[in-house]
Amino acid sequence: AQSVSQHNHHVILSEAASLELGCNYSYGGTVNLFWYVQYPGQHLQLLLKYFSGDPLVKGIKGFEAEFIKSKFSFNLRKPSVQWSDTAEYFCAVNAGGYSTLTFGKGTMLLVSP
Amino acid sequence: NAGVTQTPKFQVLKTGQSMTLQCAQDMNHEYMSWYRQDPGMGLRLIHYSVGAGITDQGEVPNGYNVSRSTTEDFPLRLLSAAPSQTSVYFCASSYDRDRADTQYFGPGTRLTVL
Repeated sequence: AQSVSQHNHHVILSEAASLELGCNYSYGGTVNLFWYVQYPGQHLQLLLKYFSGDPLVKGIKGFEAEFIKSKFSFNLRKPSVQWSDTAEYFCAVNAGGYSTLTFGKGTMLLVSP
Repeated sequence: NAGVTQTPKFQVLKTGQSMTLQCAQDMNHEYMSWYRQDPGMGLRLIHYSVGAGITDQGEVPNGYNVSRSTTEDFPLRLLSAAPSQTSVYFCASSYDRDRADTQYFGPGTRLTVL
Protein backbone atom coordinates (compact mmCIF):
# COMPACT_ATOMS: atom_id res chain seq x y z
CA ALA A 1 0.00 0.00 0.00
CA GLN A 2 1.19 3.50 -0.71
CA SER A 3 2.05 5.97 2.01
CA VAL A 4 2.72 9.69 2.08
CA SER A 5 5.15 11.48 4.35
CA GLN A 6 5.10 15.22 5.00
CA HIS A 7 8.30 16.39 6.58
CA ASN A 8 7.09 19.21 8.80
CA HIS A 9 4.05 19.20 11.01
CA HIS A 10 4.25 22.92 11.80
CA VAL A 11 5.90 25.75 9.90
CA ILE A 12 6.00 29.38 11.01
CA LEU A 13 7.02 32.08 8.53
CA SER A 14 6.91 35.82 8.28
CA GLU A 15 5.08 37.47 5.41
CA ALA A 16 7.14 37.63 2.19
CA ALA A 17 9.27 34.65 3.19
CA SER A 18 9.62 31.78 0.76
CA LEU A 19 7.89 28.50 1.42
CA GLU A 20 8.77 24.93 0.65
CA LEU A 21 6.80 22.04 2.11
CA GLY A 22 8.19 18.57 1.63
CA CYS A 23 6.19 15.54 0.51
CA ASN A 24 7.49 12.06 -0.22
CA TYR A 25 5.49 9.03 -1.21
CA SER A 26 6.22 5.33 -1.30
CA TYR A 27 4.95 3.59 -4.41
CA GLY A 28 6.96 2.28 -7.29
CA GLY A 29 4.40 2.58 -10.05
CA THR A 30 2.58 5.39 -11.79
CA VAL A 31 1.15 7.94 -9.38
CA ASN A 32 -1.05 10.97 -9.49
CA LEU A 33 -0.19 13.64 -6.93
CA PHE A 34 -2.19 16.37 -5.27
CA TRP A 35 -1.81 19.21 -2.81
CA TYR A 36 -4.94 20.26 -0.93
CA VAL A 37 -5.31 23.21 1.43
CA GLN A 38 -7.66 23.64 4.37
CA TYR A 39 -8.16 27.20 5.59
CA PRO A 40 -9.32 27.59 9.20
CA GLY A 41 -12.87 26.37 9.57
CA GLN A 42 -13.21 25.43 5.92
CA HIS A 43 -13.19 22.26 3.87
CA LEU A 44 -10.38 21.01 1.71
CA GLN A 45 -9.71 22.71 -1.60
CA LEU A 46 -7.44 21.61 -4.41
CA LEU A 47 -4.26 23.69 -4.79
CA LEU A 48 -2.71 21.77 -7.65
CA LYS A 49 -2.31 18.32 -9.12
CA TYR A 50 0.11 16.33 -11.22
CA PHE A 51 -1.03 13.57 -13.56
CA SER A 52 1.60 13.54 -16.31
CA GLY A 53 3.72 15.80 -18.50
CA ASP A 54 5.68 18.79 -17.22
CA PRO A 55 6.86 17.90 -13.70
CA LEU A 56 6.60 21.54 -12.61
CA VAL A 57 2.97 22.19 -11.86
CA LYS A 58 1.44 25.58 -11.19
CA GLY A 59 -1.65 25.92 -9.04
CA ILE A 60 -3.85 28.60 -7.59
CA LYS A 61 -2.70 31.56 -5.48
CA GLY A 62 0.89 31.44 -6.73
CA PHE A 63 1.68 27.95 -5.51
CA GLU A 64 3.70 25.47 -7.53
CA ALA A 65 5.03 21.96 -7.01
CA GLU A 66 7.72 19.89 -8.62
CA PHE A 67 7.44 16.17 -9.19
CA ILE A 68 10.83 14.46 -8.94
CA LYS A 69 10.28 10.82 -9.80
CA SER A 70 13.76 9.67 -8.78
CA LYS A 71 13.25 11.09 -5.30
CA PHE A 72 9.58 10.08 -4.96
CA SER A 73 8.91 13.68 -4.02
CA PHE A 74 6.30 16.35 -4.77
CA ASN A 75 7.33 19.45 -2.84
CA LEU A 76 5.11 22.50 -2.65
CA ARG A 77 6.62 25.97 -3.08
CA LYS A 78 5.62 29.60 -3.00
CA PRO A 79 8.14 32.44 -3.48
CA SER A 80 6.49 34.89 -1.09
CA VAL A 81 3.82 33.90 1.43
CA GLN A 82 1.01 36.09 2.69
CA TRP A 83 -0.86 36.13 5.98
CA SER A 84 -3.86 34.68 4.12
CA ASP A 85 -1.83 31.54 3.35
CA THR A 86 -2.20 30.47 6.97
CA ALA A 87 -3.78 27.04 6.64
CA GLU A 88 -3.13 23.33 6.81
CA TYR A 89 -1.63 21.76 3.71
CA PHE A 90 -2.07 18.15 2.71
CA CYS A 91 -0.16 16.13 0.16
CA ALA A 92 -2.05 13.18 -1.33
CA VAL A 93 -1.30 10.37 -3.76
CA ASN A 94 -3.43 8.20 -5.98
CA ALA A 95 -1.72 5.06 -7.18
CA GLY A 96 -4.01 4.16 -10.03
CA GLY A 97 -7.37 2.50 -10.18
CA TYR A 98 -10.16 4.48 -8.65
CA SER A 99 -9.96 8.03 -7.32
CA THR A 100 -8.97 6.86 -3.83
CA LEU A 101 -6.45 9.16 -2.18
CA THR A 102 -3.88 8.47 0.48
CA PHE A 103 -3.12 11.63 2.46
CA GLY A 104 -0.10 12.75 4.40
CA LYS A 105 -0.59 13.92 7.97
CA GLY A 106 -0.61 17.54 6.99
CA THR A 107 1.56 20.61 7.62
CA MET A 108 0.15 23.52 9.56
CA LEU A 109 1.50 26.80 8.16
CA LEU A 110 1.28 29.94 10.24
CA VAL A 111 2.24 33.18 8.52
CA SER A 112 2.80 36.12 10.82
CA PRO A 113 2.11 39.63 9.48
CA ASN B 1 -24.65 23.54 -8.27
CA ALA B 2 -24.56 23.13 -4.51
CA GLY B 3 -21.53 20.82 -4.87
CA VAL B 4 -21.05 18.37 -2.01
CA THR B 5 -23.32 18.93 0.97
CA GLN B 6 -23.15 17.30 4.38
CA THR B 7 -25.56 17.25 7.30
CA PRO B 8 -25.44 17.78 10.17
CA LYS B 9 -22.56 20.23 10.71
CA PHE B 10 -22.20 19.27 14.36
CA GLN B 11 -23.39 16.29 16.36
CA VAL B 12 -22.93 15.04 19.91
CA LEU B 13 -23.69 11.41 20.66
CA LYS B 14 -23.52 9.19 23.70
CA THR B 15 -21.57 5.96 23.58
CA GLY B 16 -23.67 3.22 21.99
CA GLN B 17 -25.99 5.49 20.07
CA SER B 18 -26.32 5.12 16.32
CA MET B 19 -26.68 7.82 13.70
CA THR B 20 -26.33 8.54 10.00
CA LEU B 21 -24.18 11.26 8.49
CA GLN B 22 -25.67 12.48 5.26
CA CYS B 23 -23.75 13.32 2.09
CA ALA B 24 -25.15 14.42 -1.24
CA GLN B 25 -23.70 15.77 -4.48
CA ASP B 26 -25.45 17.29 -7.46
CA MET B 27 -22.63 17.00 -9.98
CA ASN B 28 -23.47 13.51 -11.28
CA HIS B 29 -20.20 12.20 -9.89
CA GLU B 30 -19.64 8.46 -9.99
CA TYR B 31 -17.07 8.26 -7.21
CA MET B 32 -17.87 9.17 -3.60
CA SER B 33 -15.94 8.59 -0.43
CA TRP B 34 -15.86 9.23 3.30
CA TYR B 35 -12.79 10.32 5.25
CA ARG B 36 -12.20 11.06 8.88
CA GLN B 37 -9.78 13.77 9.97
CA ASP B 38 -8.03 13.53 13.32
CA PRO B 39 -5.33 15.90 14.65
CA GLY B 40 -1.88 14.84 13.47
CA MET B 41 -3.32 11.96 11.43
CA GLY B 42 -4.34 13.66 8.20
CA LEU B 43 -7.35 12.22 6.41
CA ARG B 44 -8.03 8.51 6.43
CA LEU B 45 -10.40 6.76 4.07
CA ILE B 46 -13.35 4.98 5.68
CA HIS B 47 -15.42 3.72 2.73
CA TYR B 48 -15.82 4.58 -0.90
CA SER B 49 -18.23 3.93 -3.75
CA VAL B 50 -17.63 3.79 -7.49
CA GLY B 51 -21.30 3.96 -8.42
CA ALA B 52 -24.81 3.20 -7.26
CA GLY B 53 -24.93 -0.20 -5.58
CA ILE B 54 -21.12 -0.54 -5.34
CA THR B 55 -19.18 0.17 -2.16
CA ASP B 56 -15.87 -0.93 -0.70
CA GLN B 57 -13.82 -0.50 2.45
CA GLY B 58 -11.03 1.95 2.93
CA GLU B 59 -8.29 2.13 5.53
CA VAL B 60 -10.46 2.45 8.67
CA PRO B 61 -13.89 0.89 8.01
CA ASN B 62 -14.60 -0.73 11.39
CA GLY B 63 -17.70 0.63 13.12
CA TYR B 64 -19.06 2.25 9.98
CA ASN B 65 -21.54 1.16 7.36
CA VAL B 66 -22.36 2.66 3.95
CA SER B 67 -24.73 2.11 1.08
CA ARG B 68 -25.23 3.83 -2.28
CA SER B 69 -28.74 3.46 -3.59
CA THR B 70 -28.56 6.55 -5.82
CA THR B 71 -25.77 8.41 -7.62
CA GLU B 72 -26.41 11.51 -5.53
CA ASP B 73 -26.39 10.17 -1.96
CA PHE B 74 -23.79 8.34 0.09
CA PRO B 75 -24.77 8.15 3.79
CA LEU B 76 -22.36 6.97 6.49
CA ARG B 77 -23.85 5.04 9.40
CA LEU B 78 -22.30 4.70 12.83
CA LEU B 79 -23.71 1.49 14.22
CA SER B 80 -22.79 1.92 17.89
CA ALA B 81 -20.86 5.10 18.54
CA ALA B 82 -17.62 4.96 20.52
CA PRO B 83 -15.44 7.82 21.86
CA SER B 84 -12.74 6.75 19.35
CA GLN B 85 -15.10 7.88 16.59
CA THR B 86 -14.92 11.48 17.76
CA SER B 87 -13.60 13.17 14.64
CA VAL B 88 -14.38 15.44 11.73
CA TYR B 89 -15.93 13.55 8.85
CA PHE B 90 -15.57 14.67 5.24
CA CYS B 91 -17.42 13.39 2.23
CA ALA B 92 -15.84 13.78 -1.20
CA SER B 93 -16.81 13.06 -4.77
CA SER B 94 -15.18 12.98 -8.19
CA TYR B 95 -16.52 12.61 -11.68
CA ASP B 96 -14.51 9.75 -13.07
CA ARG B 97 -14.40 6.57 -11.06
CA ASP B 98 -11.92 4.73 -13.23
CA ARG B 99 -8.95 7.03 -13.02
CA ALA B 100 -7.55 9.62 -10.70
CA ASP B 101 -9.61 12.75 -10.71
CA THR B 102 -9.92 15.87 -8.59
CA GLN B 103 -12.01 15.19 -5.52
CA TYR B 104 -14.43 17.81 -4.25
CA PHE B 105 -14.93 17.90 -0.52
CA GLY B 106 -17.97 18.75 1.55
CA PRO B 107 -17.84 21.15 4.53
CA GLY B 108 -17.52 18.35 7.08
CA THR B 109 -19.42 17.05 10.10
CA ARG B 110 -17.83 17.50 13.52
CA LEU B 111 -18.85 14.53 15.68
CA THR B 112 -18.26 14.19 19.40
CA VAL B 113 -18.98 10.90 21.18
CA LEU B 114 -19.23 11.13 24.95
